[in-house]
Amino acid sequence: EIVLTQSPATLSLSPGERGTLSCRASQNVSSSYLAWYQQKPGQAPRLLIYGASRRASGVPDRFSDSGSGTDFTLTISRLEPEDFAVYYCQQYAGSPGTFGQGTKVEIK
Amino acid sequence: QLQLQESGPGLVKPSETLSLTCSVSGASISSSTYYWGWIRQPPGKGLEWIGTINYSGSTYYNPSLKSRVSISKDTSKNQFSLRLTSVTAADTAVYYCARDYYYNGGPIDSWGHGALVTVSS
Repeated sequence: EIVLTQSPATLSLSPGERGTLSCRASQNVSSSYLAWYQQKPGQAPRLLIYGASRRASGVPDRFSDSGSGTDFTLTISRLEPEDFAVYYCQQYAGSPGTFGQGTKVEIK
Repeated sequence: QLQLQESGPGLVKPSETLSLTCSVSGASISSSTYYWGWIRQPPGKGLEWIGTINYSGSTYYNPSLKSRVSISKDTSKNQFSLRLTSVTAADTAVYYCARDYYYNGGPIDSWGHGALVTVSS
């Protein structure tokens, strides 16, 4: 099983700042099989990015990802008030598909 | 517009079987393009893929749950279902049904609202 480790656990930022979230895999993962989700309290996760930097429908372009091999990054270029949430990475290169433990982006 | 809705008991006794159904509208679970699956999230914790079923009825499960889980579908009702046997308190979670693109649970582009299932006597 591929283990994903996200860091930091909590990221304290102000609106307008840049957010950089990390996801490290225990073995190589093709970027084509990595996804990022956003989850707000009491809601289901929302797909943000998948399959080699494809943004899901309706996702603003301030969200982008990068990385390869075992190290991946989700970048939020300029935080909006609605971006404060928990973010999860997911790999589906191997079975079972696995999620990271999440990074909470909170208002500083 | 695709909608998924979980239904089932919110309270299950230890050692009994958890059963949930997902009703799908706006898309056919008979489509060969997608997989239909279950993910769970214990309170305050992260996400765990449980398993998926495809249009032909082939199923794929997380090995950590494989001995206790089964997923089935009812094409006539456009529904698919989850059964998890011999539950314990560790199975207390919000259970989401979802649509995904691969047999192993990703990426998931549509989610139900989630159903909280508590395992307690």
